[in-house]
Amino acid sequence: SAVISQKPSRDICQRGTSLTIQCQVDSQVTMMFWYRQQPGQSLTLIATANQGSEATYESGFVIDKFPISRPNLTFSTLTVSNMSPEDSSIYLCSVDRLAEIQETQYFGPGTRLLVL
Amino acid sequence: GDSVTQMEGPVTLSEEAFLTINCTYTATGYPSLFWYVQYPGEGLQLLLKATKADDKGSNKGFEATYRKETTSFHLEKGSVQVSDSAVYFCALTSPGTYKYIFGTGTRLKVLA
Repeated sequence: SAVISQKPSRDICQRGTSLTIQCQVDSQVTMMFWYRQQPGQSLTLIATANQGSEATYESGFVIDKFPISRPNLTFSTLTVSNMSPEDSSIYLCSVDRLAEIQETQYFGPGTRLLVL
Repeated sequence: GDSVTQMEGPVTLSEEAFLTINCTYTATGYPSLFWYVQYPGEGLQLLLKATKADDKGSNKGFEATYRKETTSFHLEKGSVQVSDSAVYFCALTSPGTYKYIFGTGTRLKVLA
């Protein structure tokens, strides 16, 4: 399995500000993913980040609100811009690691964000 | 579209009780099926997976069998421990899509 770290692990932010979350993987991976987990809810995919290309966003998520960078094969950032209390969530990055026949995703520990 | 349906929680059991968490899915083709576990304050960890019909995934005493005829992937454990208290997510992915569909999660609380 991959070792994935995220920074910060948690933060409390004021509305209108922005926060950048970092995701670091211990080995090179092709695909990285960003998810949001709102309180008491399941995971929702925000976007897929491939190195050397623009991120692909899911319906309901836009680049202006959630800009993503993927400068190399081991690192990605997600920025939550112009935050509001509705952005309070856990944000998780995951990576796709080929395992046997089928792909398997491994998740980072998450960043717990509270917006006041 | 593809979907995953899990039994609602919370599920509260006494230690050493038998656990079943139901999961059914809707998908075209032959998806891979997963159970992830999220312990309090942590991210998701892969618990087990199955990639084709009749496969049984197992890990840490947990088991789930890929049942194509009933489109199910129920999670079972014969004797739960307090340390199994967590939220369990059923998920699927269809080949080549890289996109995971998660169920809503089932919270398990095991009492000593």
